[in-house]
Amino acid sequence: QSALTQPPSVSGSPGQSVTISCTGSSSDVGGYNRVSWYQQPPGTAPKLMIFEVRHRPSGVPDRFSGSKSGNTASLTISGLQAEDDTNYYCSSYTSTNTVLFGGGTKLTVL
Amino acid sequence: EVQLVESGGGLVQPGRSLRLSCAASGFTFDDYAMHWVRQAPGKGLEWVSYISWNSGSNIAYADSVKGRFTISRDNAKNSLYLQMNSLRTEDTALYYCTKDQEYRGYGGDALDIWGQGTMVIVSS
Repeated sequence: QSALTQPPSVSGSPGQSVTISCTGSSSDVGGYNRVSWYQQPPGTAPKLMIFEVRHRPSGVPDRFSGSKSGNTASLTISGLQAEDDTNYYCSSYTSTNTVLFGGGTKLTVL
Repeated sequence: EVQLVESGGGLVQPGRSLRLSCAASGFTFDDYAMHWVRQAPGKGLEWVSYISWNSGSNIAYADSVKGRFTISRDNAKNSLYLQMNSLRTEDTALYYCTKDQEYRGYGGDALDIWGQGTMVIVSS
């Protein structure tokens, strides 16, 4: 059960867009639409931002969007704001009836 | 208010046992699968286990805890549990109780509600 692969860090300037990738295999990301994204500021519990690849829970700004192509899912944040500067994790259901998280990505708003 | 409150963490020696509890409120507990997710200090999230809404029909564990940890729930008490046996130093982490968002699902969907976590430290 290796973690899904995320870049350790990404950065962007306020107002710009950034994309965080999450790469797995056909046994997880590529095989199911149960890909989720979480935001976790330091010292707090994770918050669900995207579920089932592209759906936003109520209250999540539409600046956050999700997509998937093959074995790679992506989280795009447009119109970057200072408050977006934090950690992001992807997760996926797997063919072994388990859940895998990505290693996490630190987004820095320059 | 929807809320999950974990308890039972603490300092324990390697090889010993600990039982975590999670009290749920603000939603119909027995309609949702529940998960445990942990986070070692300074590290990322690691999924640990889930149990389906109707308890025994679907239970799953991460390979790292299989055979040592047991998840269970008491729907009458709106509570989730994690029995942790044969603890290792690498089990040291903040353990989160989380709710699966799918109504009467079997686990594996997004986690929409999280507790604040209970810290487990395994050390001699």
